[in-house]
Amino acid sequence: QVQLQESGPGLVKSSETLSLTCTVSGYSISGGYYWGWIRQPPGKGLEWIGTIFHSGGTYYNPSLKSRLTISVETSKNQFSLKLSSVTVADTAVYYCARDGQGHTMVDYWGQGTLVTVSS
Amino acid sequence: QSMLTQPPSVSAAPGQKVTISCSGTSSNIGKNYVSWYQQLPGTAPKLLIYENNKRPSGIPDRFSGSKSGTSATLGITGLQTGDEADYYCGTWDNSLGVVVFGGGTKLTVL
Repeated sequence: QVQLQESGPGLVKSSETLSLTCTVSGYSISGGYYWGWIRQPPGKGLEWIGTIFHSGGTYYNPSLKSRLTISVETSKNQFSLKLSSVTVADTAVYYCARDGQGHTMVDYWGQGTLVTVSS
Repeated sequence: QSMLTQPPSVSAAPGQKVTISCSGTSSNIGKNYVSWYQQLPGTAPKLLIYENNKRPSGIPDRFSGSKSGTSATLGITGLQTGDEADYYCGTWDNSLGVVVFGGGTKLTVL
């Protein structure tokens, strides 16, 4: 059973960098698939942030690309998100997830973690 | 603004059937598989349908998916109160180079 768990600060100050880590269990990241992040502002819909392959190849949402870094640490079976220069608009529940097939489906999701950006 | 268009809400009585539409363009739904997700209140989304009409293990056959051209549809039969949730469609957009989701549809089982 593949499981994902987000970890990181729940409160970030405006203009600082949001950092989250996703720990995967039940499957080796090196085994394949893209791994990524999706966020959901309170009361709103889903927004795809980006994905990374175990070899380091990435796909980023162009609207976030200038502020975004997704990295992978296969030895720890983890991948991470860094979003710089955050504003209150970045306040959301952040989900880590596994892309199951060519970016057309997300088959495993973390439980999500709320990150609030304070002004 | 979402790139895929869904109705904000749908409702039906227990035991009835409901469909949720998802409208896109030739650069997303028109060229790629569509998936559907169920998000129960306070929980993470869960994959319901992938590759337009396939169900992951454990998803009952009350849930079905279809696609035609640049639109997709989720169908739910034998509605139960436990089906009350937000439902999202999603796919890849070849022109934008992003995964796009619909804005979500809130299902109420009256």
